[in-house]
Amino acid sequence: SYELTQPLSVSVVLGQTARITCGGNNVGSKNVYWYQQKPGQAPVLVIYRDSKRPSGIPERFSGSNSGDTATLAISRAQAGDEADYYCQVWGSSSYVFGAGTRVTVL
Amino acid sequence: EVQLVESGGGLVQPGGSLRLSCAASGFTFGTYSMNWVRQAPGKGLEWVSYIRSDSSTIYYADSVKGRFTISRDNAKNSLYLQMNSLRAEDTAVYYCAREGYDSSGSDYWGQGTLVTVSS
Repeated sequence: SYELTQPLSVSVVLGQTARITCGGNNVGSKNVYWYQQKPGQAPVLVIYRDSKRPSGIPERFSGSNSGDTATLAISRAQAGDEADYYCQVWGSSSYVFGAGTRVTVL
Repeated sequence: EVQLVESGGGLVQPGGSLRLSCAASGFTFGTYSMNWVRQAPGKGLEWVSYIRSDSSTIYYADSVKGRFTISRDNAKNSLYLQMNSLRAEDTAVYYCAREGYDSSGSDYWGQGTLVTVSS
């Protein structure tokens, strides 16, 4: 079955850029989705189809996908961006989530 | 306003059954595919099942295949998950999520319902 690999945690200084990677075999050939989840809340879609932002998601959130790595970037990081972030792809006949990355804003 | 409200969670013994419901409102339910996603306490997200808008296509995660059944009633704007032969590892918050058009991801989620499998 298809697997996605994310770092367990990423730290970013307030106002700087956080980058979260999502590794998978030829993930660049798949649509990648990114979800933000804050404690006690349901996930929120922040990026779809690699790099598109749903309405209401700040431009500070951007995505890219090539080769074996997809990346979510959060520019000008704010305290409110602290959350768990999950990447997701559609495998052969199932969705797959990465294990999630905890983003801490210092 | 799009709303998804799950219900039916609770405490059940191992080997027991439970039926979850997801009531949808604020959009044309019958034109959207839907997913169930779960999250064990302190763990990450796990996709459970998918159903196309007209129920013509259904998929399950290997971990629930043969035990769980997804279904929907478009006339009642409702999504269901019948869970049989429950195990301790099925303990989780279960979310229903709407699948946006044109591969736009799970764009709306409910707040989840907790299922606890324990004796």
